[in-house]
Amino acid sequence: NAGVTQTPKFRVLKTGQSMTLLCAQDMNHEYMYWYRQDPGMGLRLIHYSVGEGTTAKGEVPDGYNVSRLKKQNFLLGLESAAPSQTSVYFCASSYGGVDKNIQYFGAGTRLSVL
Amino acid sequence: AQTVTQSQPEMSVQEAETVTLSCTYDTSESDYYLFWYKQPPSRQMILVIRQEAYKQQNATENRFSVNFQKAAKSFSLKISDSQLGDAAMYFCAYRSATGNEKLTFGTGTRLTIIP
Repeated sequence: NAGVTQTPKFRVLKTGQSMTLLCAQDMNHEYMYWYRQDPGMGLRLIHYSVGEGTTAKGEVPDGYNVSRLKKQNFLLGLESAAPSQTSVYFCASSYGGVDKNIQYFGAGTRLSVL
Repeated sequence: AQTVTQSQPEMSVQEAETVTLSCTYDTSESDYYLFWYKQPPSRQMILVIRQEAYKQQNATENRFSVNFQKAAKSFSLKISDSQLGDAAMYFCAYRSATGNEKLTFGTGTRLTIIP
């Protein structure tokens, strides 16, 4: 039972480089989310998706793009990485309908931008 | 906008004792959900317990229980018979019931278990 899987687990980028974080879930969840976690702060929502082909902005969307081409995958892209994007990134997913309030999380990706 | 406040950055408890972690929140909504998530050193966020605001009865999951005071906007987590495996960061989170998908998190409380 894999649940929510994030790749890679660690990554170091230079300022200006681009990369894509992959999130995959095998629970047939409709909703998927990307959060970032910074020291001394709780998780903050970057973008989310309420179904295949849909995306929406969260609390801190600037500098990120997302795509949900397949129901099981949710990609987070950084087009031109900045040091301020050094963080731990978490993907989560949930069912739609009455149980959509329970989010299941991946193990996180630690990203450092130098 | 909703806010969640955890005023205890760190807590410690002797193994087998009971500890209570505090959480307060601010909202103008009447229907919402509250959660406690555990984040061990592995970083995995694990749901501990949840509470629906319309339910007066406090949620319980084995050794974990909450004290939900809706009027006071307080949602504390009690861990009974603390175990070494309970050591982790604990996050309180809020979610509106009216379609907003956002989970709003507090800043967390680091719980240490003393053997």
